[in-house]
Amino acid sequence: RKEVEQDPGPFNVPEGATVAFNCTYSNSASQSFFWYRQDCRKEPKLLMSVYSSGNEDGRFTAQLNRASQYISLLIRDSKLSDSATYLCVVTGYSSASKIIFGSGTRLSIRP
Amino acid sequence: NAGVTQTPKFQVLKTGQSMTLQCAQDMNHNSMYWYRQDPGMGLRLIYYSASEGTTDKGEVPNGYNVSRLNKREFSLRLESAAPSQTSVYFCASSRDRKADEREKLFFGSGTQLSVL
Repeated sequence: RKEVEQDPGPFNVPEGATVAFNCTYSNSASQSFFWYRQDCRKEPKLLMSVYSSGNEDGRFTAQLNRASQYISLLIRDSKLSDSATYLCVVTGYSSASKIIFGSGTRLSIRP
Repeated sequence: NAGVTQTPKFQVLKTGQSMTLQCAQDMNHNSMYWYRQDPGMGLRLIYYSASEGTTDKGEVPNGYNVSRLNKREFSLRLESAAPSQTSVYFCASSRDRKADEREKLFFGSGTQLSVL
């Protein structure tokens, strides 16, 4: 079983729709959680951190459920520019080797 | 502000050839990383350097060597390239003044490497 698992998609939704995807992790001792965005043939860029209390940044909401060991990303009123691959990142204690990337979920927004 | 700069952007090698990927950051970060990204595999850590003068193996270090030349620069060397090393390589850096900062990674634009 992979340490971090994501539905690879693709998710194909119309502009203006709300879309959500999850990421599950296997290590209950995981410490920090992030969503990165990666455009086609580009580098990953940090989208947002994920906290137990949940956090919101404009149209994006991230949630963490420690009991069920998953994090989620919700995108409201989706735009064409949201088309990208979204990478879930889970980290452990104080070691770079404990930064685990999911393989990503592809999102395509259609006009 | 350039951020993380890596070169080259593209490279084609023949099996057995050697090459060095260069990476430099201008954000005064302590930690630097080399990842490879393959379809369906996510990013996998090759080597990292928590500070100038230190390097450590990641998940997939075989066939690679690294040098942390100074605080700014972290290079990745393939001594004898193999087709299995065909991949997209990303350099990254992070601040680590506190635990949460460590994991916020800033990436270079990547190197597409093909080994024939």
